[in-house]
Amino acid sequence: GQQLNQSPQSMFIQEGEDVSMNCTSSSIFNTWLWYKQDPGEGPVLLIALYKAGELTSNGRLTAQFGITRKDSFLNISASIPSDVGIYFCAGQRPGGQGNLIFGKGTKLSVKP
Amino acid sequence: NAGVTQTPKFQVLKTGQSMTLQCAQDMNHNSMYWYRQDPGMGLRLIYYSASEGTTDKGEVPNGYNVSRLNKREFSLRLESAAPSQTSVYFCASSTHYSGSGGYEQYFGPGTRLTVT
Repeated sequence: GQQLNQSPQSMFIQEGEDVSMNCTSSSIFNTWLWYKQDPGEGPVLLIALYKAGELTSNGRLTAQFGITRKDSFLNISASIPSDVGIYFCAGQRPGGQGNLIFGKGTKLSVKP
Repeated sequence: NAGVTQTPKFQVLKTGQSMTLQCAQDMNHNSMYWYRQDPGMGLRLIYYSASEGTTDKGEVPNGYNVSRLNKREFSLRLESAAPSQTSVYFCASSTHYSGSGGYEQYFGPGTRLTVT
């Protein structure tokens, strides 16, 4: 089935660092969404992107809809401990009837 | 506004038992979805309901059935549970099914199911 490649799979952060992660696909998408999931909870929507090239911010989070429509990026600036969790990208294909394809997630942990 | 609610939060079943997972949303959304989440596999769509009265299979529908009881409620039934169905199940809803925009899905807190 359709795959979204999300990277990195995991990363360690130190408070104050900037963080970047991305999702890529071999097919184009009409919509890119970014979610965060805390342990024992459901995913929470962070940012939604609907146009190629769109750059959208939500506080310290910034996401971009790639110009080729095959990728998206999420950046977190000046990370804080509560940024720890799993971040998922999700895309909606043309003609995909509203269904989302999810990446496998990027796990953010605090550096020991 | 509770958003998306799911019951139960935890459940343990024996192989062959049946159960129904309940989901309700109070956001007046048209579309509802059931996913399962397994380690390293991300979220996989089991069934979805584009609008009241319609249901369709997703990526992994085998072993499950669904009912869109009304606009608010969408239930997932396991008729004969198997250990391979041990997972975390999430219900989600969204405003639109087609057209531009409205694809943001909002998730419930999940049901953690163990089948022994």
